[in-house]
Amino acid sequence: DAKTTQPPSMDCAEGRAANLPCNHSTISGNEYVYWYRQIHSQGPQYIIHGLKNNETNEMASLIITEDRKSSTLILPHATLRDTAVYYCIVRVATGYSTLTFGKGTMLLVSP
Amino acid sequence: NAGVTQTPKFRILKIGQSMTLQCTQDMNHNYMYWYRQDPGMGLKLIYYSVGAGITDKGEVPNGYNVSRSTTEDFPLRLELAAPSQTSVYFCASSPGLASLYEQYFGPGTRLTVT
Repeated sequence: DAKTTQPPSMDCAEGRAANLPCNHSTISGNEYVYWYRQIHSQGPQYIIHGLKNNETNEMASLIITEDRKSSTLILPHATLRDTAVYYCIVRVATGYSTLTFGKGTMLLVSP
Repeated sequence: NAGVTQTPKFRILKIGQSMTLQCTQDMNHNYMYWYRQDPGMGLKLIYYSVGAGITDKGEVPNGYNVSRSTTEDFPLRLELAAPSQTSVYFCASSPGLASLYEQYFGPGTRLTVT
């Protein structure tokens, strides 16, 4: 599996867009990029995933660079409830594969 | 749908005691997983199952056992509890391969071994 690098922490003002970066320079062609988040004392929550095209859902947008070596998760209007640890995960889509969670980015949304 | 439920929420064990962490999902998912999360760390996979009767080891299986007799239930057994097993345990399920489908997580069981 490709390794990922995320900043340990980020701050964002409430109502502004939160842009969380992730580097995955060793990603291979059949690996997906997944984003999960974990609010304090809760189980992780799926946000979004993609292969090479940009993706959007009701929670967030995922922008993947053309060379697929990095991606950005965008929360368009961050709220206090978005304060959480955000995990970027890269995993091949074959076999009995599972997801490996690293340390992630602690996003703090302030009033 | 209740999703993924776990019991108990909290438990304190003495060294050498045994216990079973329960996990149930009502989404008819074939794939189920057990993770542990130590303070300030990411999640580590303990065991997973791709269907009833089929289980396999993850990254940190030592000291644990699992069984999968039904689609809904995936209990995790600790036979001889050790302080190193103090952690938060999360159960998860997914409709297919974890890399293609999102995983749904339970609320966790906080275990302390003293």
